[in-house]
Amino acid sequence: RKEVEQDPGPFNVPEGATVAFNCTYSNSASQSFFWYRQDCRKEPKLLMSVYSSGNEDGRFTAQLNRASQYISLLIRDSKLSDSATYLCVVIQGAQKLVFGQGTRLTINP
Amino acid sequence: ETGVTQSPTHLIKTRGQQVTLRCSSQSGHNTVSWYQQALGQGPQFIFQYYREEENGRGNFPPRFSGLQFPNYSSELNVNALELDDSALYLCASSLAGQGVRNEQYFGPGTRLTVT
Repeated sequence: RKEVEQDPGPFNVPEGATVAFNCTYSNSASQSFFWYRQDCRKEPKLLMSVYSSGNEDGRFTAQLNRASQYISLLIRDSKLSDSATYLCVVIQGAQKLVFGQGTRLTINP
Repeated sequence: ETGVTQSPTHLIKTRGQQVTLRCSSQSGHNTVSWYQQALGQGPQFIFQYYREEENGRGNFPPRFSGLQFPNYSSELNVNALELDDSALYLCASSLAGQGVRNEQYFGPGTRLTVT
C-alpha cells in the first residue's frame, strides 16, 4: 500500500465548476499536511498547508480528517489557470515529505 | 519565486558516469532536501541535510550522496549512473526549528537524462 494515495485523474471540469480531491495516508503518526500544485515540467509550488481545524484561502478550502486519515482540497469557481497537477503531501519524521502521485486537473473553457 | 536555485537546468550523461547537481537554498533557510521525480509520478525523497549533516534518507542506494556547505547550499552526487536515474531532481529548502511548520520551497529542478 502506498504511503500517500491520490486518484491520478485526469479530472476535466468546466470553468466555474467546483472540484474536490481526496487523498489518504497510511501513517497515523504523520505530523503535517500540505497541498502543492505542479504545472507541466515545473517544480511543485506550495498551495496551502492543511490544519486540523480546516482552512480556507480564497477559492481553496483544505480539510484534514485524522481519524480517517484523509485530506481534501476543494476548489470553487474554478479558473482556466487552475489547470495543473495537485500533489497531496504528508510530513513524516525528520521533515521527510511524502508525496502522492498527484491528481491532474484540466479546466475547460 | 522561492529564491531556491539549482544548476544545471538540464544534463545528459552516459550510463556509468558520475554527476553533481547543485542547489542554493532560500535566504534564512537552514535545511535542504533532495527529491527525484520520474515522469508521471510524485517526487520521491532522497535525503535531507541540516547543519551540514544528513538528517534522514529515503530508499535510495549509497551511490546517491550529498553535501551541505556552511552557507546551507547543497550538492547531490550520483555515481555509476543507470538509465533509471533519468528524472527531474528537485531540491527544497526549509527552516528547521521548534514551532516552525517546516514548509518546503522547491527550486526549478535539474532534468537529468542518462543514455
